[in-house]
Amino acid sequence: RKEVEQDPGPFNVPEGATVAFNCTYSNSASQSFFWYRQDCRKEPKLLMSVYSSGNEDGRFTAQLNRASQYISLLIRDSKLSDSATYLCVVNPPTGGFKTIFGAGTRLFVKA
Amino acid sequence: SQTIHQWPATLVQPVGSPLSLECTVEGTSNPNLYWYRQAAGRGLQLLFYSVGIGQISSEVPQNLSASRPQDRQFILSSKKLLLSDSGFYLCAWTTGVGRRANVLTFGAGSRLTVL
Repeated sequence: RKEVEQDPGPFNVPEGATVAFNCTYSNSASQSFFWYRQDCRKEPKLLMSVYSSGNEDGRFTAQLNRASQYISLLIRDSKLSDSATYLCVVNPPTGGFKTIFGAGTRLFVKA
Repeated sequence: SQTIHQWPATLVQPVGSPLSLECTVEGTSNPNLYWYRQAAGRGLQLLFYSVGIGQISSEVPQNLSASRPQDRQFILSSKKLLLSDSGFYLCAWTTGVGRRANVLTFGAGSRLTVL
């Protein structure tokens, strides 16, 4: 089993749709969690951290479910500019040096 | 504000040739520095990380090496490239302290094609 698993997609959604991604992780002692966004042929950029209490930033909501060992990202009112690959990122209990990246979920938002 | 620079942006190298990718961070001191590789359609793979000058930890056995000659400079090298070294190489840094201790900030990347 991979340490961090994501559905590669692609997810094809119309503008204005709500879309959700899940990511599962194998190490129950993992410490911190993030979602990064990566545009085609560009570097990943932090989208948001994922806190135990869940967090929201505008149209984006991230949640953590420790019992089931997954994190989720919800995007409401999708925009064309949301088209990108979304990377699930997990820090193991050994600390932040060995951050583990999922392979990413591709999202295409169409007009 | 902190910035991270990485170069060259793209390069095409023959098998067996040497490699040198350079990364510098500005606006911070004593950053943790990282080299990642991303193969097509794959997740990021950690190659090396460094917590200080001259301190390098290697994560994956390979024909690559890293060096940190200065606090904010991180270099990825190879004496002889293999075809399998092709990929997108990303330098990154973290503060290692505070609330954003583990938030990685990446350079723009170096796309290497080995022919």
